[in-house]
Amino acid sequence: AQSVTQLDSQVPVFEEAPVELRCNYSSSVSVYLFWYVQYPNQGLQLLLKYLSGSTLVKGINGFEAEFNKSQTSFHLRKPSVHISDTAEYFCAVIAAGNKLTFGGGTRVLVKP
Amino acid sequence: EPEVTQTPSHQVTQMGQEVILRCVPISNHLYFYWYRQILGQKVEFLVSFYNNEISEKSEIFDDQFSVERPDGSNFTLKIRSTKLEDSAMYFCASSQQGARSGANVLTFGAGSRLTVL
Repeated sequence: AQSVTQLDSQVPVFEEAPVELRCNYSSSVSVYLFWYVQYPNQGLQLLLKYLSGSTLVKGINGFEAEFNKSQTSFHLRKPSVHISDTAEYFCAVIAAGNKLTFGGGTRVLVKP
Repeated sequence: EPEVTQTPSHQVTQMGQEVILRCVPISNHLYFYWYRQILGQKVEFLVSFYNNEISEKSEIFDDQFSVERPDGSNFTLKIRSTKLEDSAMYFCASSQQGARSGANVLTFGAGSRLTVL
């Protein structure tokens, strides 16, 4: 069975500072990995995905993530956050079938 | 940008009542999904639907739940007799291909918040 762990439930960060959101997964088969963002009162929006190839994936809004197979991690980073990045971020994995398995989410609060 | 539309945005119901949550997926998508998020918990998979039948479901999706595509545009989730623990945000999603194909990703709606009293 596949599972996803997001180690930080909340991350406060100052505007223009860097942020890293941690995600670890477990699966016995190869995986596809995703990061979704949920802004207040909105649905889940895809930030980026890793399917194969380069382990460094760039997404929208200046976010990037690195797939590390040996560490079974897919951490999300942004070098300089804006107030508008305040949201909840979800790491997710597909290992088999059509089921997307989500982590518990990390709430990012960007302070001025 | 095409989007998945869900109605209602918020529904309050009494325990034991039937609830129908509605979703309009993106028009050329073939795969449909329901997920839910109980307050403070993970987003959990409920069911996937393709070619007018359930393709996969979780252990949460018991006999109290059903899904239907009554016409060419709507995709509904029915909870037959709601329980307090059904209170959650329910997300509908759709994709052009199966999620495992990777090339297409799930597009989610804004969610329907269900409160069972």
